[in-house]
Amino acid sequence: GAVVSQHPSWVICKSGTSVKIECRSLDFQATTMFWYRQFPKQSLMLMATSNEGSKATYEQGVEKDKFLINHASLTLSTLTVTSAHPEDSSFYICSAPLGGASYEQYFGPGTRLTVT
Amino acid sequence: QKEVEQNSGPLSVPEGAIASLNCTYSDRGSQSFFWYRQYSGKSPELIMSIYSNGDKEDGRFTAQLNKASQYVSLLIRDSQPSDSATYLCAVYERQARRQNSGYALNFGKGTSLLVTP
Repeated sequence: GAVVSQHPSWVICKSGTSVKIECRSLDFQATTMFWYRQFPKQSLMLMATSNEGSKATYEQGVEKDKFLINHASLTLSTLTVTSAHPEDSSFYICSAPLGGASYEQYFGPGTRLTVT
Repeated sequence: QKEVEQNSGPLSVPEGAIASLNCTYSDRGSQSFFWYRQYSGKSPELIMSIYSNGDKEDGRFTAQLNKASQYVSLLIRDSQPSDSATYLCAVYERQARRQNSGYALNFGKGTSLLVTP
């Protein structure tokens, strides 16, 4: 069964509004979660690393004030796309490692964002 | 910029044949390698992980790693139409461009596999 969930699975919003996406680890704790973005027919691009109890680490070129990440608990990270624009329309996916000695990461089902 | 390279395909194989997917990486220090399968419109699903040189088998899937050649591959035996998807190679490596130079998965662009009945 799924080990990482995301909500919502899809969302349509108007330009200028904000959208929050939730990522939850199921039955395990994740001190670290990762947020990716994938445009059509392109590979996954890491946006940021979400760290429980501390600030997220953003990849070069990702605006931290536009993509707000909060990792308030060991099972929940949220990504808020602020003042969304049509170019932010994409497939947003989170992942979490099961931890321990394993580096295996499991992905949530993704959130398809369409900004009109 | 450390690279993970894959042939974009599409790779077309007949049902029942062996599909061979290849991946090269540039970071010699990498120790952990993964294959993910991604169906259109869905998120990636972990198929295999491999950490040591040689072969690792799991059902119809075999991952092969050659660190000296910086090469990792995935073989799918008895390919089925349901195997048609994009296969992503991922390498766990230090990300020099990141603020704290932490580790993260670096993905290739994926190889599209089509298994024809």
